[in-house]
Amino acid sequence: AQKVTQAQTEISVVEKEDVTLDCVYETRDTTYYLFWYKQPPSGELVFLIRRNSFDEQNEISGRYSWNFQKSTSSFNFTITASQVVDSAVYFCALSEPNAGNMLTFGGGTRLMVKP
Amino acid sequence: GAVVSQHPSWVICKSGTSVKIECRSLDFQATTMFWYRQFPKQSLMLMATSNEGSKATYEQGVEKDKFLINHASLTLSTLTVTSAHPEDSSFYICSARWGDFQPQHFGDGTRLSIL
Repeated sequence: AQKVTQAQTEISVVEKEDVTLDCVYETRDTTYYLFWYKQPPSGELVFLIRRNSFDEQNEISGRYSWNFQKSTSSFNFTITASQVVDSAVYFCALSEPNAGNMLTFGGGTRLMVKP
Repeated sequence: GAVVSQHPSWVICKSGTSVKIECRSLDFQATTMFWYRQFPKQSLMLMATSNEGSKATYEQGVEKDKFLINHASLTLSTLTVTSAHPEDSSFYICSARWGDFQPQHFGDGTRLSIL
């Protein structure tokens, strides 16, 4: 069974600090996809990234970066120089092609960036 | 691209009323649409998966007679909460994808409040 764990339920930082959101997953498949979504207070889910299991290269997009480590089954998300607008709930998710590519979400991490 | 529109965004109605929520893919054909439910401060829980032209597949514990799903076209799926009661109050969010290996794109969600 697939499972996604986001151990940090809430994180509070001051603007301009760097913050890392942890995500650990469990799967028996060798082929799978990992995702991060942002859910601001308005409620919509904003797609941030999808990474397949064969691509362990870290990715950077502006102030966002992702560290994929298969050895530790982790897909951590770092926001550099955080801003108030980054305040949201962030979800990590996993899907497996053999399971119809259904999304399994982690519990989410609520990030509060204070000015 | 890949815009999913969900309507209405907020519904308040009396107990016993049936409520219909629409999910539309605006710029792509959605072979599969998903319906999720999210309680406050919790993660998204998949309710059902619908493929165009066929019956929806419901997750365990979701009453199919309570939550009617219709996916009549490649751009529209509807969720009808029949005879809604206060315990059905929640945030409902849909997603759509155009292929089994494509990411899900989410609507903005519908806040349902039953008085």
